[in-house]
Amino acid sequence: GQQLNQSPQSMFIQEGEDVSMNCTSSSIFNTWLWYKQDPGEGPVLLIALYKAGELTSNGRLTAQFGITRKDSFLNISASIPSDVGIYFCAGPNSGNTPLVFGKGTRLSVIA
Amino acid sequence: DTGVSQDPRHKITKRGQNVTFRCDPISEHNRLYWYRQTLGQGPEFLTYFQNEAQLEKSRLLSDRFSAERPKGSFSTLEIQRTEQGDSAMYLCASSLGLTENTEAFFGQGTRLTVV
Repeated sequence: GQQLNQSPQSMFIQEGEDVSMNCTSSSIFNTWLWYKQDPGEGPVLLIALYKAGELTSNGRLTAQFGITRKDSFLNISASIPSDVGIYFCAGPNSGNTPLVFGKGTRLSVIA
Repeated sequence: DTGVSQDPRHKITKRGQNVTFRCDPISEHNRLYWYRQTLGQGPEFLTYFQNEAQLEKSRLLSDRFSAERPKGSFSTLEIQRTEQGDSAMYLCASSLGLTENTEAFFGQGTRLTVV
């Protein structure tokens, strides 16, 4: 099946810094979703992207659907301690099939 | 609270015992998914239902696993003769099941520890 590759695997940043992470696939995706997971909890949906080139914001978070449809980016501006967690990209293999997930980017924020 | 609900949150069981988990999806969602997540990995798809019909099962779902959604509302996931390798977080999610909206919403998960 299709695999989603996320980078970086982990990152440590100072509070107030901006963060950028990405997700790539060897195949075309028609939908990109970004989730955040806190320890011991289920993933929480942050942003959904449905159109190539689309740029969508949710507060301090901005995500883009790559023009090639094979990648997506998530940016977090002015990070705060509660941004700590694991960020996953996800998308359906095709059409309306169940989501496949990347392995996540673990974000740590140093106050 | 109208989100996805899972019960129990934690389960510790001895190897060889059977366990059953429950998931209550968002009420208007007709799709329900089960995922498994181990440390350092993203959620891995196990199976999903469209209403009461089980449409797909991953090869990760061995014969010891069975899932049901008898009335198209809540679902149960049963693991028979548990093994230590079954230790993981089991996540349930639900969605509207539309091609134009594939957003899935997750419950808090059931963490299974097999000792």
